[in-house]
Amino acid sequence: EVQLVESGGGLVQPGGSLRLSCAASGFSFTNYAMSWVRQGPGKGLEWVSGISDSGGTSYYADSVKGRFTISRDNSKNTLHLQMNSLRAEDTAVYYCAKNPYGSGSQWFDPWGQGTLVTVSS
Amino acid sequence: EIVLTQSPATLSLSPGERATLSCRASQSVSSYLAWYQQKPGQAPRLLIYDTSNRATGIPARFSGSGSGTDFTLTISSLEPEDFALYYCQHRRNWPPTFGGGTKVEIK
Repeated sequence: EVQLVESGGGLVQPGGSLRLSCAASGFSFTNYAMSWVRQGPGKGLEWVSGISDSGGTSYYADSVKGRFTISRDNSKNTLHLQMNSLRAEDTAVYYCAKNPYGSGSQWFDPWGQGTLVTVSS
Repeated sequence: EIVLTQSPATLSLSPGERATLSCRASQSVSSYLAWYQQKPGQAPRLLIYDTSNRATGIPARFSGSGSGTDFTLTISSLEPEDFALYYCQHRRNWPPTFGGGTKVEIK
């Protein structure tokens, strides 16, 4: 069974940093692209970032470009999202999601349970 | 970026009724459209990918259709567990975007 477990969320002040992690199991992690998708309180879904199976290619939403960095450790089956210069509008539940292929724009299946990031002073 | 507009925002129906949800794209997404279901406090779940392919374990009462800019998710006969939020998402190019959602509520 595919499992994705996010961690690292919490309360951070505006301008601060946070690193999210997603531990993957139940599938061959090195063969699939991975993504982060977020959902603000009471809001819809927003794709944040994606990374190819090898980690060689990454993509970002304009709203986070230059502030967030996605990475993966294929030896540890782990996906990361380094978030810097955080703003109040980054407050959201952040979901880790598996993509069906190694690269390219794709759908998301399955999703982790999410980790809450709150940016507030 | 491609904007996806879902309608209606809320659909009030009774169990056993047919639900028809719409997703319109600001430009063609070919057949690269997916649908997700989200219940309160839960992560989204993939229902349909590439317009009409049901994801693993999704009941046959869920079906998708359309092409280009106009897409439909149909739930043939609503079960109590189907009352939830539904989102569409395209993968035509970067960035992949989501629609604003349709809430299917009990009438």
